[in-house]
Amino acid sequence: QMQLQESGPGLAKPSETLSLACTVSGGSIRSTSYYWGWIRQPPGKGLEWIGSIFYSGNTYYSPSLKSRLTISVDTSKNQFSLTLSSVTAADTAVYYCARHMLHCSTTSCSPGWFDPWGQGTLVTVSS
Amino acid sequence: EIVLTQSPGTLSLSPGERATLSCRASQSVSTIGSNHLAWYQQKPGQAPRLLIFGASNRATDIPDRFSGSGSGTDFTLTISRLEPEDFVMYYCQQYGSSLYTFGQGTKLEIK
Repeated sequence: QMQLQESGPGLAKPSETLSLACTVSGGSIRSTSYYWGWIRQPPGKGLEWIGSIFYSGNTYYSPSLKSRLTISVDTSKNQFSLTLSSVTAADTAVYYCARHMLHCSTTSCSPGWFDPWGQGTLVTVSS
Repeated sequence: EIVLTQSPGTLSLSPGERATLSCRASQSVSTIGSNHLAWYQQKPGQAPRLLIFGASNRATDIPDRFSGSGSGTDFTLTISRLEPEDFVMYYCQQYGSSLYTFGQGTKLEIK
């Protein structure tokens, strides 16, 4: 059974860069059936999609975060990563990684729903 | 951006009752033969868990008391007979566009 695990610092200073990694176990990140996504949830609030990546490096980013965001993949480590620059208190959240399942029509495939999810890691932005 | 509006914000019911949760999209998230909407359950302190994809397909190991329906802009998650562990948060998510969005959530609480 596939599992995902986030890792990284739980504290970031304002204006600095937040970096997280997600390690995939129980399956290969090279699969052509999935993308790999990041979602965040500010304390007591709802879910916000951040971005997703295919093993080849193709990405989808949230337009609201695109200017500060980089998502990358390291197939040798079965891992994908997120970096978010120039963070502020508004970036304080639980950050989840998840497998982003592809759904296909007769003509094309694109990412759809998220399953499974990692347990999440709280990142606090504070000086 | 497709905005998803979930209603009600909070639903108060008793165990054994039927729950009906709504998710309305600001524009259609369906194409011919496909409804691009998923539902998740989130317990306190835990990650969301996929319940339904494609508007009506139960995910693996999800009890059959959970069902989804709808198309276009209006979708429903129904829980036929509420169990005590069902009184948590529920979110819908659309994948009709590549700017993936979630609803704000419905909290199911014990009456």
